[in-house]
Amino acid sequence: GAGVSQSPSNKVTEKGKDVELRCDPISGHTALYWYRQSLGQGLEFLIYFQGNSAPDKSGLPSDRFSAERTGGSVSTLTIQRTQQEDSAVYLCASSFDRGSYEQYFGPGTRLTVT
Amino acid sequence: SQKIEQNSEALNIQEGKTATLTCNYTNYSPAYLQWYRQDPGRGPVFLLLIRENEKEKRKERLKVTFDTTLKQSLFHITASQPADSATYLCARGGSNYQLIWGAGTKLIIKP
Repeated sequence: GAGVSQSPSNKVTEKGKDVELRCDPISGHTALYWYRQSLGQGLEFLIYFQGNSAPDKSGLPSDRFSAERTGGSVSTLTIQRTQQEDSAVYLCASSFDRGSYEQYFGPGTRLTVT
Repeated sequence: SQKIEQNSEALNIQEGKTATLTCNYTNYSPAYLQWYRQDPGRGPVFLLLIRENEKEKRKERLKVTFDTTLKQSLFHITASQPADSATYLCARGGSNYQLIWGAGTKLIIKP
């Protein structure tokens, strides 16, 4: 079956612009996660959606970052007024349910802020 | 705070030998640890999960151990092959159903 897909695969934007990153999780997966990975670093948790519950936004680094998940499926991560330090790979993952279930990752979106 | 520490130095192993990667955690033992493989330009791929009450888990050439006394998990690849070269990530279960990730260890298998 189809895996997790993300778009765009690469995004170059000017400092101060807004960007939207999209994630299509595996159908039927109730949990969806967004992570950020800088070069040579581990995954930094950003936000987590579980079913119809309020998302866990505890990892968002500033109020310039927001995310939504429509209809329990597709998710969009929005970064407003991008800064150079926002440059990273943004990874989306979904899992069947919360907890110990394995996470399935998309290929990521490489964001470069110039 | 809960942390996961993995050796940041690349591990070079001769083909056919066993590769052993280390994952150390702080604070209380997590309910489970997960291991993932990540290739350049790709998202991580799940390999194994081991729970706190399990000492060892195997899958084909892979073996994971969980030592709550040492606060450590070891990840072994036996009969290593060049195709096993990748970065291996360890993650612990955290609060609020999140995973807390290590930075990963790059494994290089030399033919």
